[in-house]
Order: sequence, then C-alpha cells, then structure tokens
Amino acid sequence: AQRVTQPEKLLSVFKGAPVELKCNYSYSGSPELFWYVQYSRQRLQLLLRHISRESIKGFTADLNKGETSFHLKKPFAQEEDSAMYYCALSGSGAGNMLTFGGGTRLMVKP
Amino acid sequence: DGGITQSPKYLFRKEGQNVTLSCEQNLNHDAMYWYRQDPGQGLRLIYYSQIVNDFQKGDIAEGYSVSREKKESFPLTVTSAQKNPTAFYLCASSTYLGGGSEQFFGPGTRLTVL
Repeated sequence: AQRVTQPEKLLSVFKGAPVELKCNYSYSGSPELFWYVQYSRQRLQLLLRHISRESIKGFTADLNKGETSFHLKKPFAQEEDSAMYYCALSGSGAGNMLTFGGGTRLMVKP
Repeated sequence: DGGITQSPKYLFRKEGQNVTLSCEQNLNHDAMYWYRQDPGQGLRLIYYSQIVNDFQKGDIAEGYSVSREKKESFPLTVTSAQKNPTAFYLCASSTYLGGGSEQFFGPGTRLTVL
C-alpha cells in the first residue's frame, strides 16, 4: 500500500524566511512524487513534480529515496505563497492512482 | 473558457435523500476522477474512469455511484447509504489515467447534510 505523510498541518513563517514543507512516503516500487497547491479561492493545481526537476515560483523539491522524502523548499517565503500544499505519490506508469497527503497550510506573515 | 466545471457550488441534502453532483470538462481528457476532501485527511479517491462507459471504485466508494455516458461528463451520486456525506467534493480530469498525467481540478461542491 502507498502512503503519504505530511507531519505539519500548519506552518507559519515570516516573509523572507526560508520554508520547508515536509513530505514522507511509503511505496514499495518506483514512485512519482508531486506537490499540488491550493491558493485561497482558487482551484487545486499542480505545483511541481520530481521528474521535471524544475523550480516553480522559487520552490524546489528533491526526491530522497533513502529517506523516502520529498520535502518542498523555498529560500525566501513571500506572502503570496500562503496556501494549502498537498504532497502526492503515484507509481510510475499509466494506470497508477494518486495518493495525497493530509496537506500543510502555509501562512507567511508580513 | 476551457476547464472543468462543477455544479452546484453548495448543496444541502436531507438525510435519506440521494443527490447528484455534476462534473463537466471540455479539455478532451480521457480520464476523470472524484475525490472527497476532509480537513486533515487530504484528498481521498472515490471513483475514477478511464474511458466512456467504464469506471472503477477508488478507496472510499461505498455509498457513492457514478456514470460515464459521455467523455465530457462524470456525475457523482451520493446515496443515502453514505454514512457521513458532509464534505467537499472535487472532480478532476487528466489526459490519461494515472498519476503521471497532470490532474486538473474543478472548483468543488460543498455538500451539507441537514
């Protein structure tokens, strides 16, 4: 069975501070990891995926298979980063469903 | 305006009643999904469909039913058998079935049982 754990329900930081949203997973095969974000009054949307190795809106996430983690990081948080963040996992290849974590609400204070 | 639409935005139901939530997409996506979102529990998969006239149960399908008569439409019925139906329901679609294909989400329907 696949499982995604986001240990923090709420993370509050000041503007300009570094931010790290934690995500740990359990999966026996080769996983694909994603971060989805939901800004206030907007739809849930894909932020980034590990296979693309991109930096989106200053966020990066590195898949650490040894620690089974996919933490989301940004060196300098902005107020507009305040949102609900969900880590998600699927098996590689078509036909594998996404499993979401419980979500972390990020609040960036001015 | 392309994307996924869900209606209604808010829905109130009396106990014992069935209700149907609408989901339509004009993205020409083959795969569609229904999730339930509860605080602290993330999104849980109710049903999914790969093609027209085919759908599969997700992790929490009990008390729900779906149909996929058209590619664009994937309505969800919450039946009276669902013991705790008050929740936020999200519909999504993707090019093909599976997590590797980016899922696009609708705005959601909030269902409240009175």
